Amino acid sequence: AAGVIQSPRHLIKEKRETATLKCYPIPRHDTVYWYQQGPGQDPQFLISFYEKMQSDKGSIPDRFSAQQFSDYHSELNMSSLELGDSALYFCASSLGDRPLTSYEQYFGPGTRLTVT
Amino acid sequence: KQEVTQIPAALSVPEGENLVLNCSFTDSAIYNLQWFRQDPGKGLTSLLLIQSSQREQTSGRLNASLDKSSGRSTLYIAASQPGDSATYLCAVVQTGANNLFFGTGTRLTVIP
Repeated sequence: AAGVIQSPRHLIKEKRETATLKCYPIPRHDTVYWYQQGPGQDPQFLISFYEKMQSDKGSIPDRFSAQQFSDYHSELNMSSLELGDSALYFCASSLGDRPLTSYEQYFGPGTRLTVT
Repeated sequence: KQEVTQIPAALSVPEGENLVLNCSFTDSAIYNLQWFRQDPGKGLTSLLLIQSSQREQTSGRLNASLDKSSGRSTLYIAASQPGDSATYLCAVVQTGANNLFFGTGTRLTVIP
């Protein structure tokens, strides 16, 4: 079965540079979530999109922005990178946004961002 | 704010032993609870999803229970194997939101 695809899998950037992470959800899934997992920490929610509109916002820095496109893939844009942005960035997808019963989130393999 | 805690933080057991991982959450107004497995530096694999109206879910050697009113869930692993060694995370979707709040994780080592 098709899974969530993230690219690139690894990315090395210098401070103050920009980075773009891409996420391709499972076919027919209309909701995408972004999570950040720092070293030794649990994943923290950044932002989510449902049907190409921002759905919820978590602890996403103002330096980051994201969007969901017409084919439901999503991109996380990160500018003015800082050392503390080094983390594993996960994308997850689900079918549905906030239904009466909530749907399972399926996670991609993650993008490991290293800022030097 | 929802807080999810997992005890113990680390656990070592000999192969073949049955074990229980614990998860507690402070706000019982949840849609569902998911248990994940994470290998070092790798992605998150969903193991079980329990809706708020359910009491338990089973998949193979795994059984997860949910006591929403007391804010607790357990993941029972039967006949543990070395391949079960990983970090296990529980996460809840709080009512009114759609994102997951993750626990701190339990790092399991199954000794051959």
